[in-house]
Amino acid sequence: RKEVEQDPGPFNVPEGATVAFNCTYSNSASQSFFWYRQDCRKEPKLLMSVYSSGNEDGRFTAQLNRASQYISLLIRDSKLSDSATYLCAVNKRSQGNLIFGKGTKLSVKP
Amino acid sequence: NAGVTQTPKFQVLKTGQSMTLQCAQDMNHEYMSWYRQDPGMGLRLIHYSVGAGITDQGEVPNGYNVSRSTTEDFPLRLLSAAPSQTSVYFCASSPGTSGFRDTQYFGPGTRLTVL
Repeated sequence: RKEVEQDPGPFNVPEGATVAFNCTYSNSASQSFFWYRQDCRKEPKLLMSVYSSGNEDGRFTAQLNRASQYISLLIRDSKLSDSATYLCAVNKRSQGNLIFGKGTKLSVKP
Repeated sequence: NAGVTQTPKFQVLKTGQSMTLQCAQDMNHEYMSWYRQDPGMGLRLIHYSVGAGITDQGEVPNGYNVSRSTTEDFPLRLLSAAPSQTSVYFCASSPGTSGFRDTQYFGPGTRLTVL
């Protein structure tokens, strides 16, 4: 099992749709979880940290399920500007390094 | 506060040439790292450093060297470039190595082509 796996995508959704991404991780000792957004030919940028209790930032909601070892990202009322690749990242406890999933591409259409 | 800066933005090398990719951060972050990103492979860690004078290997270190003489700078050296090293290289930094202090901030990347 790969350390961090994401839905392969791509996700093509209309404006206004709700879309959910899932990400599973294999190391039960992982402590920190993140969602990054990467626009085409740009660097990844932090979208949200994922807290144990779940957290929300406007239209974005992140959840953590430690028992099943997955994190999720929900985007409500999708905008054209949400089109990007979404990467999940999990820390590797022994080193503090982040391990990234391969990303899921989202295209929001008018 | 410039964040993480990388130079050059683009580079073309011939097989066998050597070069150094520069990375600097002005946030006084202890942790710095280098990733490469290839289509279908995601971000893969090359080398990282938890502080000045300390470096270690990541997932794909072969063909690359690093050093960390100051907190601010973390250059990546390609010893003898190969076509397999054609990639986009990202440098990243974070305040520390535990909890949310390992949130990483990325530079704009260097696009390297090896002919």
